[in-house]
Formats: sequence, C-alpha cells, structure tokens
Amino acid sequence: QPVLTQSSSASASLGSSVKLTCTLSSGHSSYIIAWHQQQPGKAPRYLMKVEGSGSYNKGSGIPDRFSGSSSGADRYLTISNLHFEDEADYYCETWDSDIHVVFGGGTKLTVL
Amino acid sequence: QLQLQESGPGLVKPSETLSLTCTVSGGSISRSGFYWGWIRQPPGKGLEWIGTIYYSGRTYYNPSLSSRVTISVDTSKNQFSLKLSSVTAADTAVYYCARHEIAAAPFDYWGQGILVTVSS
Repeated sequence: QPVLTQSSSASASLGSSVKLTCTLSSGHSSYIIAWHQQQPGKAPRYLMKVEGSGSYNKGSGIPDRFSGSSSGADRYLTISNLHFEDEADYYCETWDSDIHVVFGGGTKLTVL
Repeated sequence: QLQLQESGPGLVKPSETLSLTCTVSGGSISRSGFYWGWIRQPPGKGLEWIGTIYYSGRTYYNPSLSSRVTISVDTSKNQFSLKLSSVTAADTAVYYCARHEIAAAPFDYWGQGILVTVSS
C-alpha cells in the first residue's frame, strides 16, 4: 500500500507563487495522486489529479492559478499569484487497484 | 449539481455504534461507475479513509477499521450509510461522505461533514 509524505507547513507572500510537494513511497512512483484544498472550518475541495507524466486534470471551477506537475515520485501543486483565500490545508490522495485510498498528512499553507 | 449531505447523531456513547447516512441529490447513486465513500478527520488532524461502496453493494474498507465498519447502500432513497461499532473517544471526528467517479479515481465531490463526538 502506498504512503504519501507531505511537509507539515509552508508559507509564501501574497501575490507570489508556492509549490507544494507530495512524495510517493518506494515502489509507487508511477501512481496518480489528487490534491484537495481544505479552508478553515470547511470540507475538503477537490482541486486536480496529477499523473506521473506530469499531466494534470483540474476539477470544475478551479482557477488557472492552480497547476500540477510531477518529477519521479514527487507530485507538485503550484499556486501562482497567491490570494489570502488560498491559506488552507492541502492534502494529497492516492489509491491502489483494490480501491484502498490513502491521504497524505497535509500541508498547512500560510499566506503572508 | 451533485450534493452530498451527512446526517445522524452528533453524540455517541463509548462502546456503542455510530450510525450516519449520506443523502445524495442532483444525481443517481445507482449510476454506473460511481463509487461512494466515507472519510473522517479527528479534530486538528488529517484525513482518514474509512471505506467505499458501489451501488451494487460491493464494499472496500480501510484494513485498520474493517473489523468495526459496515457501509451499506439504499438505492431507493439515494442514500448510503456508515456504521462503526464499539466506538471510543478516538473515533471522535468530523465524518465526510464523498464520491469518486470511477473505482480508481479521487474523491471529487464532498459533503459538508458532520461532527460526531464519542462521550458518556
């Protein structure tokens, strides 16, 4: 079963860009992952899925400021032109062929 | 627009069974290919997948919870349900229901969540 590792926190200035990382465990570097945003006190919101090739597919209504990429076992979420509303917890998710779902521990993003 | 809404008691006593229902609106729970899941989040902590069900009744559970979890579906009511037995304070969490479009896909629609506290 895959394990997803995320940094516990990140920060960036208003209007700048930030790149969050989700790392797949050994032997699972080809897995597709998804990114979810959870604003304070709210339910998670699906942002996109990111493939090992680097291609990504966003959910409905997700702004162009959000993009995904990949390198080896690392999957990235890049947020450009940061807004205060982007301050949130970001979780990555993956799943195996037996439909067992795994979440990363989450990254708390602070917009300075 | 698809919507999911959790419902059930907000307080459960230790050793009892937690029971929640997710009502789906704006789409059929019986639509081929769609899977329906439960996820929980203890206060201040991360997300934990509990299990997933297909409208046929086929279930998939988190191995760490499988001995205590039952997920069922009622297609006539467009609902699916969670039962978690022998609860302890460690089961206190916000419980979310959500959908994934196919079996091997992310959760793309989430309910608003319901806080369930386990306490006597």
